[in-house]
Amino acid sequence: ELKVEQNPLFLSMQEGKNYTIYCNYSTTSDRLYWYRQDPGKSLESLFVLLSNGAVKQEGRLMASLDTKARLSTLHITAAVHDLSATYFCAVAKVGDGGSQGNLIFGKGTKLSVKP
Amino acid sequence: ETGVTQTPRHLVMGMTNKKSLKCEQHLGHNAMYWYKQSAKKPLELMFVYNFKEQTENNSVPSRFSPECPNSSHLFLHLHTLQPEDSALYLCASSRTSNTGELFFGEGSRLTVL
Repeated sequence: ELKVEQNPLFLSMQEGKNYTIYCNYSTTSDRLYWYRQDPGKSLESLFVLLSNGAVKQEGRLMASLDTKARLSTLHITAAVHDLSATYFCAVAKVGDGGSQGNLIFGKGTKLSVKP
Repeated sequence: ETGVTQTPRHLVMGMTNKKSLKCEQHLGHNAMYWYKQSAKKPLELMFVYNFKEQTENNSVPSRFSPECPNSSHLFLHLHTLQPEDSALYLCASSRTSNTGELFFGEGSRLTVL
């Protein structure tokens, strides 16, 4: 059974600091996603990581994937208040005959950036 | 116009009521999903439809009944719910169920009294 664990679940950061959110998953998969959710809002896709060693960056966020370690990281550089949200990683289940679109989500990391 | 639209955004119902949640996507996708988001729990996949056919039912109780009349519309019919069913119900779509990148609606916040 595919399990996805994120840590930390809560993260209080000061503006300008750097930090990393970790996402571990338990079985083989060929794609990993990072989503952002603001309170009362939908999930917004941030990154799709498809291969070992993949690294993607958007603004102050950078995501990477190590499929051998079954680990993805979301690194936050010089945090600003606008980054306050809950961040989810999600891993695609791999079924017979190839990938499936069904995603297993982590519990989410609630990030709060304070001045 | 947003890609995935859900109605109603908020719903309060008693345990004996029958209600429905509606989802519509304008992205030309062929797969649609229902997820449940409860407090302190990960998002849980409930149902998957691919080209109008249900391809996954994640052991969801029969008091939740999905309907997918075409690739653009998805319903979740609710009957005899329990207070623990109170949650945010998120609809999502993707190109097909093998594509994997999901686009989510803003959710329907359900409260069962």
